[in-house]
Amino acid sequence: AQSVAQPEDQVNVAEGNPLTVKCTYSVSGNPYLFWYVQYPNRGLQFLLKYITGDNLVKGSYGFEAEFNKSQTSFHLKKPSALVSDSALYFCAVRDGYGSGNTGKLIFGQGTTLQVKP
Amino acid sequence: DTAVSQTPKYLVTQMGNDKSIKCEQNLGHDTMYWYKQDSKKFLKIMFSYNNKELIINETVPNRFSPKSPDKAHLNLHINSLELGDSAVYFCASSQVGGTGVTGELFFGEGSRLTVL
Repeated sequence: AQSVAQPEDQVNVAEGNPLTVKCTYSVSGNPYLFWYVQYPNRGLQFLLKYITGDNLVKGSYGFEAEFNKSQTSFHLKKPSALVSDSALYFCAVRDGYGSGNTGKLIFGQGTTLQVKP
Repeated sequence: DTAVSQTPKYLVTQMGNDKSIKCEQNLGHDTMYWYKQDSKKFLKIMFSYNNKELIINETVPNRFSPKSPDKAHLNLHINSLELGDSAVYFCASSQVGGTGVTGELFFGEGSRLTVL
């Protein structure tokens, strides 16, 4: 079965510093990986995805993620954090491919990012 | 124009009552989902419909009954509410079949259910 893990419950970073939110995956076959952000009392917003191609994927709000097949990781990064980036971040993997695909995403447990001024 | 909209945003009710949450998407997607987010923020799939056909029915008490009258709408009815049903319920949609498949899900703003 497909799964993702986010090893950190919380990441703290100072404004202006680079940030990394970690995600590792376990899949059979090629992974379809996603990052979402959730602000308090809001729905999940799509940030970026890796399907195929370049290992460095660029997304919304200046975020990017690096797909690393040998380490089975898909870490979310941003060169310079903003206080407004403080939120809950979810990594996700699509469950199933081809004709049996339901499109369902399986989510990690979430990582709270706290950016301090 | 909201892509995935859910109503109501907040629901406060007594144990034993029945309640419904409605969801509509205007993205033209063929598949819709219900996810439950618990107090620890874990997200778990409950149901999914593809073109009005139920394709995912996870281990959920049969007090929960989804209905999809057409591919743009997905409702969730909950009978005999229990304290443990308190959570945020998210509706989402995606395009799974045909052309234009991108993979990501688009989420509504959530419906926060509190059972007293």
